[in-house]
Amino acid sequence: SAVISQKPSRDICQRGTSLTIQCQVDSQVTMMFWYRQQPGQSLTLIATANQGSEATYESGFVIDKFPISRPNLTFSTLTVSNMSPEDSSIYLCSVVSRGGHNYGYTFGSGTRLTVV
Amino acid sequence: SQQGEEDPQALSIQEGENATMNCSYKTSINNLQWYRQNSGRGLVHLILIRSNEREKHSGRLRVTLDTSKKSSSLLITASRAADTASYFCATDEQGAQKLVFGQGTRLTINP
Repeated sequence: SAVISQKPSRDICQRGTSLTIQCQVDSQVTMMFWYRQQPGQSLTLIATANQGSEATYESGFVIDKFPISRPNLTFSTLTVSNMSPEDSSIYLCSVVSRGGHNYGYTFGSGTRLTVV
Repeated sequence: SQQGEEDPQALSIQEGENATMNCSYKTSINNLQWYRQNSGRGLVHLILIRSNEREKHSGRLRVTLDTSKKSSSLLITASRAADTASYFCATDEQGAQKLVFGQGTRLTINP
């Protein structure tokens, strides 16, 4: 399966600032997915990022708050903008594993964000 | 939105016992997947069952899928302390090309 390097692994940020999370994949992938996991909760899809086009956001998430870049087929960034304590969560990127949809998805190790 | 409901939300058993977790979903799917998460870290893919399959085994894991009831179960046999984690089901929705996660089950294996 694909291997994802996600950075940073954790950060503590001041409210009102922004944080950019990076995911690097060891192979070319068409779609990358960004998830949020609030404390004690399950994963919620933020957006799907395709190379060469704007990301597709899920209901409740907007580009101004979570801008995404996808400059090539192996890399993507998610920015959490104008942060508030409610943004404290784990953020994870994901790709479909090599072999396609019937082989599961691979996840990055996550970014644990605390906003103070 | 979350479409998967899992029960129980938390399960605590003794080492060596079997653990069963259930998942229900609402829409048509390509497949259903189970993931494990240790202490809020990244997710590890455990097993995938396709919509035309009814049962699948992988080591100590057994997954069933009932598409008529839109439900699945994950059985971990002969549990070990290292199985302590949160377990999530996730559905790969038809036509959507994305995973939708259930609420998860926190499994604790007591030595």
